[in-house]
Amino acid sequence: QITLKESGPTLVKPTQTLTLTCTFSGFSLSTSGVGVGWIRQPPGKALEWLALIYWNDDKRYSPSLKSRLTITKDTSKNQVVLTMTNMDPVDTATYYCAHRRNGGNPYFDYWGQGTLVTVSS
Amino acid sequence: SYELTQPPSVSVSPGQTARITCSGDALPKQYAYWYQQKPGQAPVLVIYKDSERPSGIPERFSGSSSGTTVTLTISGVQAEDEADYYCQSADSSGTVVFGGGTKLTVL
Repeated sequence: QITLKESGPTLVKPTQTLTLTCTFSGFSLSTSGVGVGWIRQPPGKALEWLALIYWNDDKRYSPSLKSRLTITKDTSKNQVVLTMTNMDPVDTATYYCAHRRNGGNPYFDYWGQGTLVTVSS
Repeated sequence: SYELTQPPSVSVSPGQTARITCSGDALPKQYAYWYQQKPGQAPVLVIYKDSERPSGIPERFSGSSSGTTVTLTISGVQAEDEADYYCQSADSSGTVVFGGGTKLTVL
């Protein structure tokens, strides 16, 4: 059974760096084709893809946020970490991590419950 | 950048058929995926590779593709289908994109 869970601060100040951790079970990020992505959703708004890391350490980032994002993995700990620099109130959102099934286009078949991050001074 | 366009809302009576469209220039070359999201919950994959249904998803959910438009069809809509629906695809470089979402209201 695949599960994912996001963890990190619930409140960050403007200009700070956000660090979120996705801890997963039921799959290995060393399996060919597998990936873990991050997606966020501001309150009342649409889903926005942020980043994706693959089993071979290949990484993809949202073009609009690429300069602020870093995604890394720790295969031994079954964790993926997302950092976002220079946080702003508009970055207030629920942040989800999700499992990317191997093969073909990236899409997400299992999602974490999400974690709400508020950016405020 | 690549964009996917969905209608903001669709309304349908119980038992009727709901169709939610998603348009994008790359859709003739790239698969589309559909997610259902109910209030306060994480999204759930309901259609992958344009028309495939994951296990556990009711048969009333189906997907189709024609040119630059993909369509999620829910036949015999039930009250429990009221939710936001998002299409998703990717470009040739692996950049993922979501549509703006469609709120399905069951009257």
